Amino acid sequence: KQEVTQIPAALSVPEGENLVLNCSFTDSAIYNLQWFRQDPGKGLTSLLLIQSSQREQTSGRLNASLDKSSGRSTLYIAASQPGDSATYLCAVGGYQKVTFGTGTKLQVIP
Amino acid sequence: GAVVSQHPSRVICKSGTSVKIECRSLDFQATTMFWYRQFPKQSLMLMATSNEGSKATYEQGVEKDKFLINHASLTLSTLTVTSAHPEDSSFYICSANLLAGGDTQYFGPGTRLTVL
Repeated sequence: KQEVTQIPAALSVPEGENLVLNCSFTDSAIYNLQWFRQDPGKGLTSLLLIQSSQREQTSGRLNASLDKSSGRSTLYIAASQPGDSATYLCAVGGYQKVTFGTGTKLQVIP
Repeated sequence: GAVVSQHPSRVICKSGTSVKIECRSLDFQATTMFWYRQFPKQSLMLMATSNEGSKATYEQGVEKDKFLINHASLTLSTLTVTSAHPEDSSFYICSANLLAGGDTQYFGPGTRLTVL
């Protein structure tokens, strides 16, 4: 059974700081890994999708890496902004099933 | 491409009523659609998997008579919460796999259900 852990559970940083969110998973036989953003009371916004054959994906200030062998992914956010404040979810895709982590709640302080 | 929509985005209903949530793949055909539920301050948990034209497969602990899933076509799946109660208040999200292959699930934006 796949288990996905995100550390830290909460993070508070000053505006402008670069930061890294971590995601670890127990079963390396994955098809893909997605990072989502969820604002309070809102739905999911897909940020980055990494297929199992890829090592990283980039979109703007976001960069996600994937190391299947070690069961880890990181989401790097450069030059953080208050608008980045949200909960970030890691979702590991297996056959016919996606397992979500519990998320990291990020607060960027102006 | 690979856009999934849900309707409604928010719904408030009285206890005892039934609520239907639609999940549509807008620009692709989906072999399989999935329904997830998110309890407050918890992560999303898979409720059921549905394939077009066949009965849904429910995860352990999910009441199939409570949460009715219909996958009528390759672009539409519906989740009906029957005789809703306050404890059914939650965030429900669907996802869909591409018919053409691959195992990436594309997620809808979610539906927030509040049962009074």
